[in-house]
Amino acid sequence: DGGITQSPKYLFRKEGQNVTLSCEQNLNHDAMYWYRQDPGQGLRLIYYSQIVNDFQKGDIAEGYSVSREKKESFPLTVTSAQKNPTAFYLCASSMQGAARGTEAFFGQGTRLTVV
Amino acid sequence: AQSVTQLGSHVSVSEGALVLLRCNYSSSVPPYLFWYVQYPNQGLQLLLKYTSAATLVKGINGFEAEFKKSETSFHLTKPSAHMSDAAEYFCSSGGTSYGKLTFGQGTILTVHP
Repeated sequence: DGGITQSPKYLFRKEGQNVTLSCEQNLNHDAMYWYRQDPGQGLRLIYYSQIVNDFQKGDIAEGYSVSREKKESFPLTVTSAQKNPTAFYLCASSMQGAARGTEAFFGQGTRLTVV
Repeated sequence: AQSVTQLGSHVSVSEGALVLLRCNYSSSVPPYLFWYVQYPNQGLQLLLKYTSAATLVKGINGFEAEFKKSETSFHLTKPSAHMSDAAEYFCSSGGTSYGKLTFGQGTILTVHP
């Protein structure tokens, strides 16, 4: 079945450590996105990528980094510079991006907790 | 810049009652609009989308939404609530900035027996 797979589902990190969240899709989608979700704040865009080897900062990119070396994969690294990383992280993809009216498909999310 | 506003962070209805979740958008060009549903600790699932083909859009699980340009609204409705509708609902907009979706703050729907 086609879809988006995020791993792990739950992740614990010690303060000062970097951690990488995985996102893989087999939908052959061009665009991929990372969102952060906090209670009562909706979804905030961290990074997005329209094509392989290209990505753009979203609204809250500070303390995060991404790569897009393959069409199927868009990993997110939460660095030690991110002051409040505890949140639910959602990865999404779409065929041609929001401008063409296509919807985004979401993974099941990764809940990151700093201990 | 685009923005989406959902009126009411929490909505509570009785089972069998009408569900109305409100969404207003702000855009300088005709937008693409979406409603998503999220169950606890899961990703978002598309309920329906508006892409200018028809102003009344029907989605899954008996939900529908009407695009009203004069009111810049895209409210989500369902005639009769079911217990399984309890979830968080997000209105989203796209269209003016390639690759960027804008989400509202979300509305948590509670359904009482």
